[in-house]
Amino acid sequence: AQSVTQLDSQVPVFEEAPVELRCNYSSSVSVYLFWYVQYPNQGLQLLLKYLSGSTLVESINGFEAEFNKSQTSFHLRKPSVHISDTAEYFCAVSTGFQKLVFGTGTRLLVSP
Amino acid sequence: NAGVTQTPKFRILKIGQSMTLQCTQDMNHNYMYWYRQDPGMGLKLIYYSVGAGITDKGEVPNGYNVSRSTTEDFPLRLELAAPSQTSVYFCASSYNPGRSNEKLFFGSGTQLSVL
Repeated sequence: AQSVTQLDSQVPVFEEAPVELRCNYSSSVSVYLFWYVQYPNQGLQLLLKYLSGSTLVESINGFEAEFNKSQTSFHLRKPSVHISDTAEYFCAVSTGFQKLVFGTGTRLLVSP
Repeated sequence: NAGVTQTPKFRILKIGQSMTLQCTQDMNHNYMYWYRQDPGMGLKLIYYSVGAGITDKGEVPNGYNVSRSTTEDFPLRLELAAPSQTSVYFCASSYNPGRSNEKLFFGSGTQLSVL
């Protein structure tokens, strides 16, 4: 069975600073990887996903994640964060059929 | 499109009471899911359905029941509420979570407290 580990429960950062949210996974088969974002009092929204092909994937709001098979990681990065990026971020893994396994989440706190 | 709609948004139950959390989607999605979210625990899958009339257990099904009589609706039933069921519940749906389209659409959640 696959599993996901998000190493940081909370990441405080100042506005315009870079940020990296870490995600590691374990699986005995090929996986598909996702980052979901949850803004306060809302449901989760898909931020970006890796299915195949280029190992670097990007979202429309400046986040990117790189699939590293040798290190079994899928870290999320942004070179310059905004106050509006304050949210909880969930890494998730799937082997391809309906069951996403989510990590425990990382709360990103951006302060001015 | 409204997407995935959950009702109620908030509910307080007494131990032993029962209730149904409603979930409906208007995207004609085949797959629907119920997750619970506990602080520091991420999301755990309770039940899921791959189409009308078909449901299956997820990771934490005990204390819950579901039904899927239509494509649109996927209610979650708590028969005898317990304090351990205090959580935020999310319903989600997807059209075909195969290799190229595994995006889940989430509702806004139901915050349930059992006292």
